[in-house]
Amino acid sequence: AQSVTQLDSQVPVFEEAPVELRCNYSSSVSVYLFWYVQYPNQGLQLLLKYLSGSTLVKGINGFEAEFNKSQTSFHLRKPSVHISDTAEYFCAVSPLQGAQKLVFGQGTRLTINP
Amino acid sequence: DTAVSQTPKYLVTQMGNDKSIKCEQNLGHDTMYWYKQDSKKFLKIMFSYNNKELIINETVPNRFSPKSPDKAHLNLHINSLELGDSAVYFCASSQGTVPGYEQYFGPGTRLTVT
Repeated sequence: AQSVTQLDSQVPVFEEAPVELRCNYSSSVSVYLFWYVQYPNQGLQLLLKYLSGSTLVKGINGFEAEFNKSQTSFHLRKPSVHISDTAEYFCAVSPLQGAQKLVFGQGTRLTINP
Repeated sequence: DTAVSQTPKYLVTQMGNDKSIKCEQNLGHDTMYWYKQDSKKFLKIMFSYNNKELIINETVPNRFSPKSPDKAHLNLHINSLELGDSAVYFCASSQGTVPGYEQYFGPGTRLTVT
């Protein structure tokens, strides 16, 4: 079984400041890793994913994440945030084998203050 | 053009009623999903279908019955609604069942049971 822990339920940041949203996971098998974003009153949208290769992955809207296998982490970062980045961010994993089954973390509410 | 659409967007009903939520995707995807997002924003998979065949059926009460008339549609019927069924239900689709594919989410249906 898999589980995902997002270490911060809320992160307030000033506009143009850097941000890091933390994600740790637990799994007895190898997994793929994802970050999804949910803007207010909308469905989820993929920000980025790690399948294999370079552990630093770049996504949309200037976000990037680094996979750390030894620490079982997949933290999301952005060097300079904008008001429009205000949203709920979800980290998720899916086992490599079997049918795709996303297991989500609890979400981190990112609030950008002017 | 909307990729994944759900109807209705809001659904308010009384305990004991039966209701359905419809989902359609125009992406040509083979796989569709239903997720439940509770009041704390926690997302959990309920079902997945591939080419009208049930692939994943999580521990969901049998009052919930998905139906896939074709691979572009996945509807969710709920019998004898309970207060605990109040949540936002998201439909999603992906190109296939292989782990790693991006899932595309609909806008959600907010179900309120009174």
